[in-house]
Amino acid sequence: DIVMTQSPDSLAVSLGERATINCKSSQSVFYSPTNKNYLAWYQQKPGQPPKLIIYWASTRESGVPDRFTGGGSGTDFTLTISSLQAEDVAVYYCQQYYYAPSLTFGQGTRLEIK
Amino acid sequence: QVQLVESGGDLVRPGGSLTISCALSGFTLSDYYMSWIRQAPGKGLEWISFISSNGGTKHYADSVKGRFSISRDHSKNSLYLQMNSLRAEDTAVYYCARGSAGGQWELYFDTWGQGTLVTVSS
Repeated sequence: DIVMTQSPDSLAVSLGERATINCKSSQSVFYSPTNKNYLAWYQQKPGQPPKLIIYWASTRESGVPDRFTGGGSGTDFTLTISSLQAEDVAVYYCQQYYYAPSLTFGQGTRLEIK
Repeated sequence: QVQLVESGGDLVRPGGSLTISCALSGFTLSDYYMSWIRQAPGKGLEWISFISSNGGTKHYADSVKGRFSISRDHSKNSLYLQMNSLRAEDTAVYYCARGSAGGQWELYFDTWGQGTLVTVSS
């Protein structure tokens, strides 16, 4: 199975500051014929289901604020929140869909306000 | 408005069975792959099963293979998960989730239900 490892496990950032979450896959999720990375990011706020925020590693889902940016390629990816807002407090998960039908998520990164 | 509403979660004894449901609205079930994803209390997300848009292809995580069965009823616009031989480690919130419009090779999840809690305990 492909293992997705996020770092750090938890992160505390001041309001208005940048937050960066890392996701590393045990094998590449880049498919050269499509020139795409098969990686998504989700945000899960307390008591709520996950919400898709980024797919294809860097494409923002409709309605997601542009302070959320996804980057990286191959095995190493980042989710960056450029200016942390109070409503961004959540657990963030990465997910690979390259190795479908086996789909795997990272363990999650808890983002809090410092 | 696209909406997924799970139901049927319950307290079940180890070794027991349960079927949970997901009622879909705002889109055509036959156009999308659908999945079940679970989250144990205080833990992360675990994909457990998906079914293709026409119902002809089904896949399961190793942790549930042979015990769980996914199905869909287009006439009722609903998705189901039949769970047999339940174990304590199956205790979780079970979410149904819609795969992207791209099909099997684009299986990220753009819509999630609120989840239904299944507790396996004696």
